[in-house]
Amino acid sequence: EPEVTQTPSHQVTQMGQEVILRCVPISNHLYFYWYRQILGQKVEFLVSFYNNEISEKSEIFDDQFSVERPDGSNFTLKIRSTKLEDSAMYFCASIQATVRGPSPLHFGNGTRLTVT
Amino acid sequence: SQKIEQNSEALNIQEGKTATLTCNYTNYSPAYLQWYRQDPGRGPVFLLLIRENEKEKRKERLKVTFDTTLKQSLFHITASQPADSATYLCALFMNYGGSQGNLIFGKGTKLSVKP
Repeated sequence: EPEVTQTPSHQVTQMGQEVILRCVPISNHLYFYWYRQILGQKVEFLVSFYNNEISEKSEIFDDQFSVERPDGSNFTLKIRSTKLEDSAMYFCASIQATVRGPSPLHFGNGTRLTVT
Repeated sequence: SQKIEQNSEALNIQEGKTATLTCNYTNYSPAYLQWYRQDPGRGPVFLLLIRENEKEKRKERLKVTFDTTLKQSLFHITASQPADSATYLCALFMNYGGSQGNLIFGKGTKLSVKP
């Protein structure tokens, strides 16, 4: 069964450094998402992306964050200058759009980002 | 803003019993409500979707109900097994109306099924 893949599985970085988290969504999916989950907290929406542009973003997704689909397969999340509070699990998800309404999200297994 | 509450952070039951998890939401009723399973260190995995005009949905040992009057969904696992031990997340779509919207999650209920 096709799956969403994320790399790396674990990223350690120093405060102030830039990080890029990478995702390969399922090939025939059209909508892409980033979510994050701080340890012990709920899964939080960051941003959705469709047709090469951001569809929606949450309050968390400030100017330090950006997303890109540099080619036909990869979907990246960049954090320009990491802060301690950016430490979390970051999940990529994709969805197969239908005309009937929301389809289930397919999540990757996440990148654990640790900012020291 | 829309809030989702999953009343129990943890639920411990004996193998073979039925687990019932509760999800309540505030404000408007979503057109769709979904349930996911999350294992430690893994991404959520979709289980069931129920529409606002559906009272109940079943899939094998799983059953979901949706009561828009009470603004509540119940998630049942019958004949529970230790392998069912995981965190179960309730989720609903925001801003559905022509777009795919985005999914917001409750904090989840951690289910432990003891042999």
